[in-house]
Amino acid sequence: QVQLQQWGAGQLRPSETLSLTCAVYGKSYSSDYWSWIRQSPGKGLEWIGEISRSRSTNRDTNYNPSLKSRVSISADASRNQFSLRLSSVTAADTAVYYCARIRTGGYFYYIDVWGKGTTVTVSS
Amino acid sequence: SELTQDPAVSVALGQTVKITCQGDSLRTFYAAWYQQKAGQAPINLIYGVNNRPSGISARFSGSSSGTTASLTITGVQAEDEADYYCHSRDSSGTLGVFGGGTRLTVL
Repeated sequence: QVQLQQWGAGQLRPSETLSLTCAVYGKSYSSDYWSWIRQSPGKGLEWIGEISRSRSTNRDTNYNPSLKSRVSISADASRNQFSLRLSSVTAADTAVYYCARIRTGGYFYYIDVWGKGTTVTVSS
Repeated sequence: SELTQDPAVSVALGQTVKITCQGDSLRTFYAAWYQQKAGQAPINLIYGVNNRPSGISARFSGSSSGTTASLTITGVQAEDEADYYCHSRDSSGTLGVFGGGTRLTVL
């Protein structure tokens, strides 16, 4: 049973950098992607981006175009952890941030495990 | 969003409801479905058209035709009142995308 444990700062001021980390406990597969998703208050889920677990794909990363200039997702395979950095935050970045494992294969693409979520509030 | 869902659907207790998700990428990629209750992280209900993870009730089923994927809940119970999201790749096949979500109200 895979579990994800996430942590990071929950209070930020405008212009600061959001930094969150997620640890993966349990069996992983080379075809997995590790992902970050957020949900602003009262809104739907927003896909932020993902990183491939497989070294053979050179840690392929994909980002939401609306956030691409400010976002970076990295992975530390030795620790089975991955991280999110979002720079120059504003109040619009206030949200619950989830880490997640995405299973892929052929035409399959789905999240089977979610972290519990971290509430991030941006306020001066 | 490249995946379109009806914002809200209501259904009487014990009846059957179908929630749909429309998007061009669904011609190629399977949709996944998630249920999210207030204050909780989402959980996966359906993946790969009609596969249920262990522990998910058989009352939940999925189907797909062309650019539309559907989640059907049979014998709706009060506990099914929640937000439902579809999720897949986008049309380019490189990005992930969620539908806007459907809020299900059980009458």
